[in-house]
Amino acid sequence: KNQVEQSPQSLIILEGKNCTLQCNYTVSPFSNLRWYKQDTGRGPVSLTIMTFSENTKSNGRYTATLDADTKQSSLHITASQLSDSASYICVVSGNQFYFGTGTSLTVIP
Amino acid sequence: DAGVTQSPTHLIKTRGQQVTLRCSPISGHKSVSWYQQVLGQGPQFIFQYYEKEERGRGNFPDRFSARQFPNYSSELNVNALLLGDSALYLCASSWGPFGGYTFGSGTRLTVV
Repeated sequence: KNQVEQSPQSLIILEGKNCTLQCNYTVSPFSNLRWYKQDTGRGPVSLTIMTFSENTKSNGRYTATLDADTKQSSLHITASQLSDSASYICVVSGNQFYFGTGTSLTVIP
Repeated sequence: DAGVTQSPTHLIKTRGQQVTLRCSPISGHKSVSWYQQVLGQGPQFIFQYYEKEERGRGNFPDRFSARQFPNYSSELNVNALLLGDSALYLCASSWGPFGGYTFGSGTRLTVV
């Protein structure tokens, strides 16, 4: 069964700290993996996209990794800011798009 | 360039009513997909249209229907609304059927 699981479900960190979000998937065939940031009540915004051959992709303070062998991805956020508070959704593309349920990140002062 | 635009932004309907949600893709994008996102969950795929033809359908009842127009804009219709249909409805567009999608801000539907 094609599934995308994310952990943790929610996370609270202090401003300025780093954090890592996890995404494990069982989607086959695999085309690419995207991390989206979704602010409350808004549509998701793409942060990174990685194909099978890529294992690291950065976008400012966001760095995503992909291990296609273990079917795991992580999103590392460096020097968190209050504006990073949002849901982060992992989306794996195979024959269709498979969405994780997201990690809710809260950054507090 | 304008992004993906959805209308209305918010909507309140009563049970049993019908609703039509609208989506305009980014200029040049030919694929539109619809998603339902219940509070606290990830988006669930409803439909994908590419070149005005249905390319995919998620596990939603027949009360949900959609279409894509010659200008690639799209409408999502939901009949006989239920309380459980209350959600954020997201539209996403892409140049092709498997390309990277850009999402709209969504339509918040509340069924009372």
